Amino acid sequence: RKEVEQDPGPFNVPEGATVAFNCTYSNSASQSFFWYRQDCRKEPKLLMSVYSSGNEDGRFTAQLNRASQYISLLIRDSKLSDSATYLCVVSNAGNNRKLIWGLGTSLAVNP
Amino acid sequence: DVKVTQSSRYLVKRTGEKVFLECVQDMDHENMFWYRQDPGLGLRLIYFSYDVKMKEKGDIPEGYSVSREKKERFSLILESASTNQTSMYLCASSSWTGARGGYTFGSGTRLTVV
Repeated sequence: RKEVEQDPGPFNVPEGATVAFNCTYSNSASQSFFWYRQDCRKEPKLLMSVYSSGNEDGRFTAQLNRASQYISLLIRDSKLSDSATYLCVVSNAGNNRKLIWGLGTSLAVNP
Repeated sequence: DVKVTQSSRYLVKRTGEKVFLECVQDMDHENMFWYRQDPGLGLRLIYFSYDVKMKEKGDIPEGYSVSREKKERFSLILESASTNQTSMYLCASSSWTGARGGYTFGSGTRLTVV
């Protein structure tokens, strides 16, 4: 079983739609959680950290469920510019030294 | 704006050549990482370093070595390039205290070995 698992998609949604991605992780001792965004042929960029209480950044909401060991990302009012691959990332060390990466979920927002 | 800079965007090398990929960060980060990314395999960690002159093997270190003589610079060396090392190579850095901050990546080096 992979340490971090994501549905690869692709998710095809119209502009303005709400879309949600889930990610599961296998190590119950995992401590830090992130969502990264990667555009085609570009480097990954940190989208947001995921806090235990859940957190929101504009149209993006991240949730963590430690009991079920999953993380979610909700995107509201999708824009064409949201088209990208979204990577779920988990850290098992307390010092952010090494991250475990999911393979990503591909999102295409269509006009 | 904080930056991780990789020396080359595209490289083409011949089989058997020794290849150097350079990475420099200006954020005074302790941790630096080298990944390769291939379709269907995602990001795979080659080596990382948490201090000057320190290095640790990642998940796929075979055929690679690294050097960190200065805090800001982390070099990846392909001792004898092979075609299966054709890939996108990504350098990243992070700080000890940045548990919320994740990594900052360079823009990547697309290496082709012919």
